[in-house]
Amino acid sequence: ETGVTQTPRHLVMGMTNKKSLKCEQHLGHNAMYWYKQSAKKPLELMFVYNFKEQTENNSVPSRFSPECPNSSHLFLHLHTLQPEDSALYLCASSQGLAWADTQYFGPGTRLTVL
Amino acid sequence: AQSVTQLDSQVPVFEEAPVELRCNYSSSVSVYLFWYVQYPNQGLQLLLKYLSGSTLVKGINGFEAEFNKSQTSFHLRKPSVHISDTAEYFCAVSDETSGGSYIPTFGRGTSLIVHP
Repeated sequence: ETGVTQTPRHLVMGMTNKKSLKCEQHLGHNAMYWYKQSAKKPLELMFVYNFKEQTENNSVPSRFSPECPNSSHLFLHLHTLQPEDSALYLCASSQGLAWADTQYFGPGTRLTVL
Repeated sequence: AQSVTQLDSQVPVFEEAPVELRCNYSSSVSVYLFWYVQYPNQGLQLLLKYLSGSTLVKGINGFEAEFNKSQTSFHLRKPSVHISDTAEYFCAVSDETSGGSYIPTFGRGTSLIVHP
């Protein structure tokens, strides 16, 4: 595997379910991100981790819970979601959080909340 | 915080025609600018970036962009598009957070639709 991978690629869940999204990067990067991409809206930054430590939480509701056990893996735990949470969730990584660092994105998880 | 405006939500163009996708950003002392492309069912991929130096930046797939400080613009251009260029294009500016990190702020995206 190369680059940034995300599983599952598609997920349908009810509002009472609990599920997790997984992201893995094979680039040796130190920073990882979760973004939410909704139709016709700018990418919304959700969380940022650098060297496993959370550095940004962009006022995300507590029904989204991130976990970063090491610099290569990032999870997004989901529980009691709302239909408006349906979106494409993108994971990204970068070498660090410097101004010149480029983000590398995974293919995303298409989430549908019923 | 920085902001990015992509003026066109959709740009239709015929194959082999030139195209320009517009991007304007809010003014700042130091500006670091990016263009990303997102093909259907894929994540974003870096096309090119401006960090310093020459204002004309060349990227992958024949795209280029010009940094214009006076007009606070970073428009993306390609002299001759292909069907395979049909995708969503995002302009981004690297923005310094209160914690001293740099995280991109993205525009809403422009959908480039290339017709045969």
